Amino acid sequence: KAGVTQTPRYLIKTRGQQVTLSCSPISGHRSVSWYQQTPGQGLQFLFEYFSETQRNKGNFPGRFSGRQFSNSRSEMNVSTLELGDSALYLCASSLVGRMNTEAFFGQGTRLTVV
Amino acid sequence: GQQLNQSPQSMFIQEGEDVSMNCTSSSIFNTWLWYKQDPGEGPVLLIALYKAGELTSNGRLTAQFGITRKDSFLNISASIPSDVGIYFCAGQLSAMDSNYQLIWGAGTKLIIKP
Repeated sequence: KAGVTQTPRYLIKTRGQQVTLSCSPISGHRSVSWYQQTPGQGLQFLFEYFSETQRNKGNFPGRFSGRQFSNSRSEMNVSTLELGDSALYLCASSLVGRMNTEAFFGQGTRLTVV
Repeated sequence: GQQLNQSPQSMFIQEGEDVSMNCTSSSIFNTWLWYKQDPGEGPVLLIALYKAGELTSNGRLTAQFGITRKDSFLNISASIPSDVGIYFCAGQLSAMDSNYQLIWGAGTKLIIKP
């Protein structure tokens, strides 16, 4: 069974640009969550999508947005990039349900804003 | 928002020593998950716990779901160099309106002294 796939692995963007990151979940997983991790920091929850709807949202500005497609693949977009947006962006997929909360992570996309 | 208090923040240990870390909260959880993250990679699930009092092992790792359902600990016995990394706990709240969202600890950084 293939794991969670994130593309691209590395990205360099200029301040003010926008970026789109992609995540393909494990087959059968309908929940996709996104996290931001800056150096030495924990996992900051961005948002979660389930069945193409945003179900949970973290405390990030509106420049951060996402969507989920009917095949459960998800994208996140960051507009008007700032230097502080440089981070490892992680996507995690999971099944749904009380006994199925285990999240499986991709390798992440390392975004550098210059 | 909801928080998990994970401690210690970092640990410096000698190879061969046992390691213990824990997560506590004022809220009740249905699930506790323990992850390990290597540098530049996504976290990998180590152990999942679903019942109060449950004690589960995975090789040299042992984790327990606290009886009060408000805490969990992870022990690593006879540490080896590849145990180095950041360990995260995550829990799913028991509240009916929790929307299955995982709450994350800030991580414990494990460093092995040369």
